[in-house]
Amino acid sequence: GAGVSQSPRYKVAKRGQDVALRCDPISGHVSLFWYQQALGQGPEFLTYFQNEAQLDKSGLPSDRFFAERPEGSVSTLKIQRTQQEDSAVYLCASSYGGRSSGNTIYFGEGSWLTVV
Amino acid sequence: AQSVTQLGSHVSVSEGALVLLRCNYSSSVPPYLFWYVQYPNQGLQLLLKYTSAATLVKGINGFEAEFKKSETSFHLTKPSAHMSDAAEYFCAVSVMNYGGSQGNLIFGKGTKLSVKP
Repeated sequence: GAGVSQSPRYKVAKRGQDVALRCDPISGHVSLFWYQQALGQGPEFLTYFQNEAQLDKSGLPSDRFFAERPEGSVSTLKIQRTQQEDSAVYLCASSYGGRSSGNTIYFGEGSWLTVV
Repeated sequence: AQSVTQLGSHVSVSEGALVLLRCNYSSSVPPYLFWYVQYPNQGLQLLLKYTSAATLVKGINGFEAEFKKSETSFHLTKPSAHMSDAAEYFCAVSVMNYGGSQGNLIFGKGTKLSVKP
């Protein structure tokens, strides 16, 4: 597609519910990032994939967060047993080269998660 | 470790006035620096980036930023504000070819720009 596509755009989950957020990166992009943006804050890094390999998951806040990119294109971020502090915008981003290449990183519009 | 500080969470200017959004960074190795803009309910759009070439970087929509190593700054400017510039602006730093979290963007907390008619 023309840009990074994320779905759903808006999700309301009850506390304790599992959610799955999908990201379609720009076709051919090797690198894929997930960021979390809390209200009034800048985005914070969660995890990074190069093709299908998850090379960095240092930003995942707990073992309730899990991400995958099994075929090196579409990625899913899964949050188990959601809690209110998980309420945030989850941004997906992709770039053509590896993350050290200096290539421009393109962001999707985000998935807005509200946990009630 | 790298970090970014954006001075002023809100900046208000009149239409036609100079826009100046401040960003200071901390990095133990030469950084790459970025400015992104975020319009309401939208994702981040790259305005410009510094990757160790010219210190004065020109971006989209008439914005530019100057890398000043001595001041560890990368302030964003635009000579004349337009109503359509009203948005939130994020400064970010990353480090290439460095161990650990190389290449990850580290963002500041953002500055919301308001433009008065």
